[in-house]
Amino acid sequence: GEDVEQSLFLSVREGDSSVINCTYTDSSSTYLYWYKQEPGAGLQLLTYIFSNMDMKQDQRLTVLLNKKDKHLSLRIADTQTGDSAIYFCADGYSTLTFGKGTMLLVSP
Amino acid sequence: DAMVIQNPRYQVTQFGKPVTLSCSQTLNHNVMYWYQQKSSQAPKLLFHYYDKDFNNEADTPDNFQSRRPNTSFCFLDIRSPGLGDAAMYLCATRKIMGGTGMSTGELFFGEGSRLTVL
Repeated sequence: GEDVEQSLFLSVREGDSSVINCTYTDSSSTYLYWYKQEPGAGLQLLTYIFSNMDMKQDQRLTVLLNKKDKHLSLRIADTQTGDSAIYFCADGYSTLTFGKGTMLLVSP
Repeated sequence: DAMVIQNPRYQVTQFGKPVTLSCSQTLNHNVMYWYQQKSSQAPKLLFHYYDKDFNNEADTPDNFQSRRPNTSFCFLDIRSPGLGDAAMYLCATRKIMGGTGMSTGELFFGEGSRLTVL
């Protein structure tokens, strides 16, 4: 499969914005995804962006897509302690390839 | 209500003793996936079923098998678990439209089955 790269760790204070970055290689992806995983649980879809879009906003979440650079980012506004989790980006068409995940730690 | 249900949530087995993990879905999705996730690693696709068609990833060990007796159920069989097979096993489903192959996009994951090998 194609490679998906993410930074492994991000620490922010409650109320700050968090930005998690991802680079991908599969240019055939129709959608690109952000999933959230809490300890001991499965993956939960946070949001996804269609590959012909540059930006998608969904409440506190903003996804930016730079197709030229194959760069995807997830911005979480007003980050809360409940946002602490591992965030995975994923790309692909019939099957998805996941990055290793970014652990977001939100401190009070 | 949970839409993708995995059983058991926790499985402890002995080295070499076969294990079966199950996944059921109420979404009537035509594609079902099994991923293996080890600690601090990305979920790794083992195989998937597109309807009844089985698709094995090239690097999935022969030790791992799968069955899909009907749309709702899919099983992961580990014939002779080794210590390196200890992991979280994630089942996911997806609806892919026929003909165009277009998908609604989202994979729905179960809560996972954590396998410990002693």
